[in-house]
Amino acid sequence: EIVLTQSPGTLSLSPGERATLSCRASQSVSSSYLAWYQQKPGQAPRLLIYGASSRATGIPDRFSGSGSGTDFTLTISRLEPEDFAVYYCQQYGSSLLFTFGPGTKVDIK
Amino acid sequence: EVQLVESGGGLVQPGGSLRLSCAASGFTVSSNYMSWVRQAPGKGLEWVSVIYSGGSTYYADSVKGRFTISRHNSKNTLYLQMNSLRAEDTAVYYCASGYYSPAFDIWGQGTMVTVSS
Repeated sequence: EIVLTQSPGTLSLSPGERATLSCRASQSVSSSYLAWYQQKPGQAPRLLIYGASSRATGIPDRFSGSGSGTDFTLTISRLEPEDFAVYYCQQYGSSLLFTFGPGTKVDIK
Repeated sequence: EVQLVESGGGLVQPGGSLRLSCAASGFTVSSNYMSWVRQAPGKGLEWVSVIYSGGSTYYADSVKGRFTISRHNSKNTLYLQMNSLRAEDTAVYYCASGYYSPAFDIWGQGTMVTVSS
């Protein structure tokens, strides 16, 4: 079973700043099967990135994903007020199973 | 419109059973994989189970042997039968699927399950 670790646990930033979130896997993950989600309180998660770097439909281009193997990154180039939320990475399809990371909370400094 | 709507949550005693439903519209549940994801109060997301288009099913270790995922093609509905429920199963349960992408790009609104005496 692949275990995902996210860092930092909490990221305190101001609007307009750049956010860099990390996701590390316990074993190599095919880039095709790494996704990032955003979740706000009381809402279902929303897919941001799939295939490590492909933006989902309707996602602004300030969100970008990169990485391969065991290290992946979600970057938000300039934080907007609506971007303060919890972000989860996920591997999907490895051994036909799915795993989420513990999440990174991006809050307002 | 592509949409998922869950139902069936509620309060159940430890050891009890509950069946969740997830009605799909705008696509067919048998044409893609369908999954359940849960979130305990104040906690992160936990993948629970998946059923693939071919009918294969898989479970997280935490629910294996107690939960069963299934689908009814003519009703276009996904189910999660939950038996031998424990306090630690208390969570919001979401159904999710990939429609526009291979990841979970469609989510339901969630249904709350509370296991307590």
